[in-house]
Amino acid sequence: NAGVTQTPKFRVLKTGQSMTLLCAQDMNHEYMYWYRQDPGMGLRLIHYSVGEGTTAKGEVPDGYNVSRLKKQNFLLGLESAAPSQTSVYFCASSYSLGTGGNEQYFGPGTRLTVT
Amino acid sequence: GIQVEQSPPDLILQEGANSTLRCNFSDSVNNLQWFHQNPWGQLINLFYIPSGTKQNGRLSATTVATERYSLLYISSSQTTDSGVYFCAVQETSGSRLTFGEGTQLTVNP
Repeated sequence: NAGVTQTPKFRVLKTGQSMTLLCAQDMNHEYMYWYRQDPGMGLRLIHYSVGEGTTAKGEVPDGYNVSRLKKQNFLLGLESAAPSQTSVYFCASSYSLGTGGNEQYFGPGTRLTVT
Repeated sequence: GIQVEQSPPDLILQEGANSTLRCNFSDSVNNLQWFHQNPWGQLINLFYIPSGTKQNGRLSATTVATERYSLLYISSSQTTDSGVYFCAVQETSGSRLTFGEGTQLTVNP
């Protein structure tokens, strides 16, 4: 049982390049989330998914797109990377939104630098 | 949206000392989690505690939901306890965790 895994662990992009971050979970969770963490701050929600084929915007969605084609995977895409997207990206998943099932489990993070 | 305030922002301890970290939040919640972010950036789940008290070894946590605060206790601190401690909450009507700004803990040998 690997929990939540993220690929890649590190990446350096040039401004304007595109990339996709992959999140995978093996806990059969319905809900998945993408957060970003900037230096000296807590995490902020980018997008989330309430089930296969559904996504919704979080607190800071601009410049990102997401897809959830399979229940176990949640992809985060940057179409045209900007230096402001330099950050550490965390994926998380939970069983539900209600008390008792809404504990979120986090992946190890992806450190992205945009030059 | 919900506001989350953590205190103190920074804490320096000698090994073996005890400490209490506080998290205040501005609205009713159905999820509260404490995390430890180690110096390598890894986010470690400490407690899922929307209400009540839990203990895990030298760490314990209490959430008083009616008064909108949670406390994290660290006893007999060790250098490996160093890092940032985050409190995160989910509003009862919400779908995301809102994180506080963290408490930076340094434990000196």
